[in-house]
Amino acid sequence: QVQVLQSGAEVRKPGASVKVSCKASGYTFTNYGISWVRQAPGQGLEWMGWVSAHNGNTNYTEKFRGRLTMTTDTSTTTAYMELRGLTSDDTAVYYCARDEGSYSSLDFWGQGTLVTLSS
Amino acid sequence: EIVLTQSPATLSLSPGERATLSCRASQSVSVYLAWYQQKPGQAPRLLIYDSSNRAPGIPARFSGSGSGTDFALTISSLEPEDFAVYYCQQHTNWPPWTFGQGTKVEIK
Repeated sequence: QVQVLQSGAEVRKPGASVKVSCKASGYTFTNYGISWVRQAPGQGLEWMGWVSAHNGNTNYTEKFRGRLTMTTDTSTTTAYMELRGLTSDDTAVYYCARDEGSYSSLDFWGQGTLVTLSS
Repeated sequence: EIVLTQSPATLSLSPGERATLSCRASQSVSVYLAWYQQKPGQAPRLLIYDSSNRAPGIPARFSGSGSGTDFALTISSLEPEDFAVYYCQQHTNWPPWTFGQGTKVEIK
């Protein structure tokens, strides 16, 4: 069965970076990509970007370009999302989800990783 | 960027009633619209993709319809576990994928 398991909660100071991992299993990792979506407290869903597990290609939303990096490690079937230059607005739950890419929906989601900014 | 507008923001209904949620896109997304359910403290769950296809394991009381710019999610008879927030998402034109702001279905 398809499973997507994320790393645990993180606390960071403003200006720092955070790297969240997303371990996939139960399917051929390189046939899909991974999208990252975040949700600020009490707010809706915000798509951040996508990375192909086949070739590492990425699509980022303009808002995060320059401080966001998404990668995959096919040897461990794990995807990573690194966000730099954190501010209080980045306090959110970060989700990864399996996503084939163009014309595809997000069919299996991780449990979420809470990232909290605190000075 | 395609903007999705969901209505109503909140739907107050009783178990057993029919729920109809709307999602309107700022430009055509063809049939590439998905619906997700999110309960408090949980990740979203895919219900419907490509406007009208139920994801595996989703009960038949959930149905989706529409094409172009106007879409609907219908829950034919609400069960207690269906009270949640529902989001639509377009998956035709990226980046970015975009989500609606959500509709909360609450117990009346």
